[in-house]
Amino acid sequence: AQKVTQAQTEISVVEKEDVTLDCVYETRDTTYYLFWYKQPPSGELVFLIRRNSFDEQNEISGRYSWNFQKSTSSFNFTITASQVVDSAVYFCALWRSNDYKLSFGAGTTVTVRA
Amino acid sequence: GAVVSQHPSRVICKSGTSVKIECRSLDFQATTMFWYRQFPKQSLMLMATSNEGSKATYEQGVEKDKFLINHASLTLSTLTVTSAHPEDSSFYICSAGTSGGDTQYFGPGTRLTVL
Repeated sequence: AQKVTQAQTEISVVEKEDVTLDCVYETRDTTYYLFWYKQPPSGELVFLIRRNSFDEQNEISGRYSWNFQKSTSSFNFTITASQVVDSAVYFCALWRSNDYKLSFGAGTTVTVRA
Repeated sequence: GAVVSQHPSRVICKSGTSVKIECRSLDFQATTMFWYRQFPKQSLMLMATSNEGSKATYEQGVEKDKFLINHASLTLSTLTVTSAHPEDSSFYICSAGTSGGDTQYFGPGTRLTVL
């Protein structure tokens, strides 16, 4: 079974603090992709990153960084020096190679206070 | 590139009426389109998968007679909510992918309110 767990429901931080969002996944596939999306109050999903199962390199994009560890089936996301504009719901998702479907985690609501 | 549009962005209708939502891939051909529903403060739940020219595949628990999906061309899929009721009020999001593609491109969503 494919499953994505985002254990943190809500996180509230003060501006400039770092925030790490956890994502743990379950899959029997050897080939799969992991994604992070941001959903601001407008509702539109914003693509942040895609990582395939064969690439465990960590990635940094500006204030965003991702830590992929297959050994623990985790794909965590860190926002460094958070800003008010980072306030949104963040979803981790797992793409299945057999039917091309995405399984989403429950989402983590991040609130950054000025 | 890879832009997906949805129309309308917001719709309010009376109970018992039908509502059609369009999903278009603007700059690529989408062999597969997906329809999701998202209730307030919840995650996206896949409703159905549609491939161009064939019948949609519905997820367990989704009524195919109530949520009619048509994928008539490589750039257009429609979701019709038939005889809508207040419990159908939700945020509906479509996504489009290419053949063998590992990335889905999401539309901006349609907020449906049934009075």
